[in-house]
Amino acid sequence: SQTIHQWPATLVQPVGSPLSLECTVEGTSNPNLYWYRQAAGRGLQLLFYSIGIDQISSEVPQNLSASRPQDRQFILSSKKLLLSDSGFYLCAWSGWGHTGELFFGEGSRLTVL
Amino acid sequence: KQEVTQIPAALSVPEGENLVLNCSFTDSAIYNLQWFRQDPGKGLTSLLLIQSSQREQTSGRLNASLDKSSGRSTLYIAASQPGDSATYLCAAFYGQNFVFGPGTRLSVLP
Repeated sequence: SQTIHQWPATLVQPVGSPLSLECTVEGTSNPNLYWYRQAAGRGLQLLFYSIGIDQISSEVPQNLSASRPQDRQFILSSKKLLLSDSGFYLCAWSGWGHTGELFFGEGSRLTVL
Repeated sequence: KQEVTQIPAALSVPEGENLVLNCSFTDSAIYNLQWFRQDPGKGLTSLLLIQSSQREQTSGRLNASLDKSSGRSTLYIAASQPGDSATYLCAAFYGQNFVFGPGTRLSVLP
């Protein structure tokens, strides 16, 4: 069966520090991968999605970047965090085709101080 | 513009009641509609997926229906329990992008 792992679960970082959140999917090949952010009291905001290695689309201009060094690994990064980067970050995957069922990781809570 | 709304924003019911959560989408050209549950501080758990060609899906006490022509989906929860307390989100899939509703926060009181 397929599983998705996301870490770290909780992170407290000072403004201006770097960020790296990692996500790994097991039990499937060539998944579509997504990074979402969920701010308090707001809906899910799509940040990046990837249909393959080195094929990444950015949905909103921001202080963040994403990379996909391996088929089932998706990394969210920042060189210098801002206060506004605080939030709950969720990684997700879906298979190919029109079934489009989406599966989420447990999330990473980022607090920037 | 593709948008998804959910009504009500919050709902509080006594244990044992049957309840209905509503999801509306502006663009009816969906491939599927998915319902999720989110517990505080956790990721989203998939509950039910309804393909565009289907009318409903059932899993245990949950039943989700889909009416593409009217742009609506409902999630029916039978005999609610305190453990059902969570935020419920729906998402419309349009081939590559998912559009999420803001969620309904459900509290089931013992």
